[in-house]
Amino acid sequence: SQQGEEDPQALSIQEGENATMNCSYKTSINNLQWYRQNSGRGLVHLILIRSNEREKHSGRLRVTLDTSKKSSSLLITASRAADTASYFCATDVGLYYTGANSKLTFGKGITLSVRP
Amino acid sequence: DTGVSQNPRHKITKRGQNVTFRCDPISEHNRLYWYRQTLGQGPEFLTYFQNEAQLEKSRLLSDRFSAERPKGSFSTLEIQRTEQGDSAMYLCASSLAGYWELFFGSGTQLSVL
Repeated sequence: SQQGEEDPQALSIQEGENATMNCSYKTSINNLQWYRQNSGRGLVHLILIRSNEREKHSGRLRVTLDTSKKSSSLLITASRAADTASYFCATDVGLYYTGANSKLTFGKGITLSVRP
Repeated sequence: DTGVSQNPRHKITKRGQNVTFRCDPISEHNRLYWYRQTLGQGPEFLTYFQNEAQLEKSRLLSDRFSAERPKGSFSTLEIQRTEQGDSAMYLCASSLAGYWELFFGSGTQLSVL
């Protein structure tokens, strides 16, 4: 079963606009990660936020985490055509004290299209 | 090579045949994972290794599936008596124990006719 559910399923924006994607999950987590996947390729790690963090930035990416609502959002600012891809949130419920990352659970993904 | 390598990239087989995929992780990574992804879905966990030990297997991994990592380096995933429902992208990922980020290969696309 899939832990994370992204919203919306598809998003189409103009280059230069901001893109906001949301993820909800069901159980307590150690951390939440966002990955990007270009068509027919593997996934690329974008950013990780730990369960005790509320906001994190990396370049044009901003991720927030609300553990009380079991939700996260990913904001991509000043989008580019090259940002066109599928975006997945993934949660880790492994044994934190072992640093385990045994089984990331992914959502179904959001398809982002950035029009030039 | 600085990335995770998977071979072959594409595999077309007939129902009932056996197939084997190979994954070469990033050399210093001691953890290796197999995921399966179908169209329009996120990756689903199949199994993972720490060094040569297979530590967890998903219930998705039926008896027809077997994975090995004999020397704690590369891994193979074998599917016996393939079925059309096995058609999917099989993704391999690696990481260092204690680090959360997974590094994925480009996957092997399996089509069972």
